[in-house]
Amino acid sequence: AQSVTQLGSHVSVSEGALVLLRCNYSSSVPPYLFWYVQYPNQGLQLLLKYTTGATLVKGINGFEAEFKKSETSFHLTKPSAHMSDAAEYFCAVSESGGFKTIFGAGTRLFVKA
Amino acid sequence: ETGVTQSPTHLIKTRGQQVTLRCSSQSGHNTVSWYQQALGQGPQFIFQYYREEENGRGNFPPRFSGLQFPNYSSELNVNALELDDSALYLCASSLSGQETQYFGPGTRLLVL
Repeated sequence: AQSVTQLGSHVSVSEGALVLLRCNYSSSVPPYLFWYVQYPNQGLQLLLKYTTGATLVKGINGFEAEFKKSETSFHLTKPSAHMSDAAEYFCAVSESGGFKTIFGAGTRLFVKA
Repeated sequence: ETGVTQSPTHLIKTRGQQVTLRCSSQSGHNTVSWYQQALGQGPQFIFQYYREEENGRGNFPPRFSGLQFPNYSSELNVNALELDDSALYLCASSLSGQETQYFGPGTRLLVL
């Protein structure tokens, strides 16, 4: 069975600082991995995804994530936080084809001025 | 290109009632998935529909049911509502075999 663990329900950074949101997954098949962002009272927006190929994936808004199979991790980073990055971030895993996506519990990112 | 839309945006029901939530998929998408997101939690997979047939189900009881129509729009029906059904219900559409899902804004259901 697939599962996702997001380390830290809340992360606080200063504006301009590095953002690091941690995600570890479990999957019995080669996983498809995703990061989504959710702003208050809105649905989910895809930030980036890993399917196959290059393990460093670049997404929207300056975010990127690296798939590390040996560590079963897919951590999300951004070199310099902006106030507009404050939101809830979800890591997710699915079988090939996007079937039955499993989400982590989420990490709320706070950005201090 | 029209994105995923859901209706209504908010809904209040009482315990024991039934509710129907609606979703219009993104143009050209033939697969719809429904998720329940309780407050402070990640979305939980309810089920997926492809070509009007249920294509997989998460750990939800039979009182959660769905439909998909020929135009690929979808409904989620919940019978005998319980207090714990209070949540944000998200619909996501995709093309069969494609890993990327596009989410609607959700319907927030409150059961009193």
